[in-house]
This record gives sequence, C-alpha cells and structure tokens, in this order.
Amino acid sequence: DQQVKQNSPSLSVQEGRISILNCDYTNSMFDYFLWYKKYPAEGPTFLISISSIKDKNEDGRFTVFLNKSAKHLSLHIVPSQPGDSAVYFCAARRPGNEKLTFGTGTRLTIIP
Amino acid sequence: DAGITQSPRYKITETGRQVTLMCHQTWSHSYMFWYRQDLGHGLRLIYYSAAADITDKGEVSDGYVVSRSKTENFPLTLESATRSQTSVYFCASTKGGLAYEQYFGPGTRLTVT
Repeated sequence: DQQVKQNSPSLSVQEGRISILNCDYTNSMFDYFLWYKKYPAEGPTFLISISSIKDKNEDGRFTVFLNKSAKHLSLHIVPSQPGDSAVYFCAARRPGNEKLTFGTGTRLTIIP
Repeated sequence: DAGITQSPRYKITETGRQVTLMCHQTWSHSYMFWYRQDLGHGLRLIYYSAAADITDKGEVSDGYVVSRSKTENFPLTLESATRSQTSVYFCASTKGGLAYEQYFGPGTRLTVT
C-alpha cells in the first residue's frame, strides 16, 4: 500500500524554465511533508518542508504547495538550473511520529 | 564536523553470510533510521530507534537485526544475506520534533551474490 506516490518517474525541463514535481498521498493523518534531493552515490539531502497548517512554503528558488483537500503537494523550482538535475523524493509524517513515508522518487533532468 | 557516516561504502558478500553495516552520527541525535533504496520502491524503512536500547521494526524488517547500545551508533546486521537484500542502504538521524528533518548518510551499496 503506497501511501505516498510520485507518479512521474522522470521529468525533463529546459534550463531557466519552471520544474514542477508532484506528489500525492492517501493517508489524511499526515501533517508534515518534506522534499529531499538525491545525487548519484550520495545520501538524500533535505530541501524544503511544509506543515499541514500551511498551503505554501518558499525558500529561494524552491516553493512547495500543499492542497490538503486533494491530498496533493508539488515542488516548484524557478528558474531551473543544471545543478538541479537529481532524483527528488517527497516524504510525509504523521503527528508525534518521527518515521517518514517516502514516495518512489522523480528523476529531474535539466537540459542546458 | 563528521555528521553521519556509514561504513563500508561498498560491500560484496555471498548468499548466506552475515554482514553488518555500520552507522555513526556525531550530533547526539535521539532518533536513527535504516532505509533501503530500490528502483521502483523509493526509500523503505527497515528499522528505527528512538534512543539507545529502544528499537522498532519498519516496513521491511525481515532478515535484518539492529542494536543501539550507544546513542551515536546504529549497526544493521543481515543475519543470512539473500540476493533480494542487494540494495543501497541509508542510515539517517534526527533530533526529533515537528520541524526537524532527517539527515542521511552517504549510503552503503551492498551486493549479495
């Protein structure tokens, strides 16, 4: 039972354009959501997060949007840069629980 | 600052052998985790620990054993390795609480032949 889903295994975007990565979840108990970025042969690194009490969180070129009614979150990267090429994982957490449930990941390729 | 380290980075072992993957963090984080990453499955939780001597199973714990006698170390043992345990293994830690993300180690690529 995949509670966190990333339905696009891969995405290619032109440098300078907007990259939009999507994530859906099924468990309405999740109250905190995170995005991680992973380069080959490295561990995932934290990118940005959002609490369920918000619908948007911004950090520089990265913005995460949360639509609780649709159980959907998205990560926007503007403008996209070659260094953004990586695998992106979304993750979700339940209240009072330190465990994260991860999606399957989306490989983003930025085309110069 | 070392942060969180894993050893070995690469390991090849034979079916049936016992193998231990090491994880060490220097932040004194309470929580530590082991994940495996497989194509099409993302990151799946194997075991986690809330503190020294407190561990609990994740979603894919069969065939794995953990211990945590010291806060900073969280070794993962494959008791009798199988080919299905060929994967990349990541250790992570967190201070805990709502706003604290997990920090990941560099990973161990394990191949079981």
